[in-house]
Amino acid sequence: EVRLVESGGGLVQPGGSLRLSCAASGFRFSDYAMNWVRQAPGKGLEWISYVSSSSSATYYADSVMGRFTISRDNGENSLYLQMNSLRDEDTAVYYCARDPPYTDSSGYIPHFDYWGQGTLVTVSS
Amino acid sequence: EIVMTQSPATLSVSPGERATLSCRASQSIGINLAWYQQKPGQAPRFLIYGASTRATGIPARFSGSGSGTEFTLTISSLQSEDFAVYYCEQYYEWPQTFGQGTKVEIK
Repeated sequence: EVRLVESGGGLVQPGGSLRLSCAASGFRFSDYAMNWVRQAPGKGLEWISYVSSSSSATYYADSVMGRFTISRDNGENSLYLQMNSLRDEDTAVYYCARDPPYTDSSGYIPHFDYWGQGTLVTVSS
Repeated sequence: EIVMTQSPATLSVSPGERATLSCRASQSIGINLAWYQQKPGQAPRFLIYGASTRATGIPARFSGSGSGTEFTLTISSLQSEDFAVYYCEQYYEWPQTFGQGTKVEIK
């Protein structure tokens, strides 16, 4: 059974830092690209970061570029998100999500076939 | 970035009835569209990708259609467990973007 478990959320002051973790199990973690997606309270979903299976490629949403860093440790089956210079608008539930190992009929790889339960980050003074 | 617009914002449907949800892309995305279901306090669930292919374990009452800029998610006969918020997402172009969601509520 695929399982993703986030941790590391909490209350942090504006300008502060936090590191989120996502522990993966039930699949060969090193074969899969991974993502972080967030959801502000009462709002919709926002993709924020991607890392390829070997860490050779990383991408970020403009909203977090230069402040957040995604990384992974395939030996530990873990995904991370280092968040610096946090702002009020970063308050959200943060989910880790896996990219599936297949493409659609047009050859594009869809996203987010499995999600963790999320961890809440609150940025407030 | 590509803007995804879902309609209606809220859909009131009786159990057993059909629900039709719409999603429009600000530019053509081919069939690179996915749908997700989210219940309160839970993570999203992957329903459909490639505009019309059901993900593993998704019941046949969920179907997707469309291409280009107009897409539809249809739930043929709503069950109690289907009342939730549904999001569409385009993965044609980075960054992948989501619609604002359609809440399907009990009528």
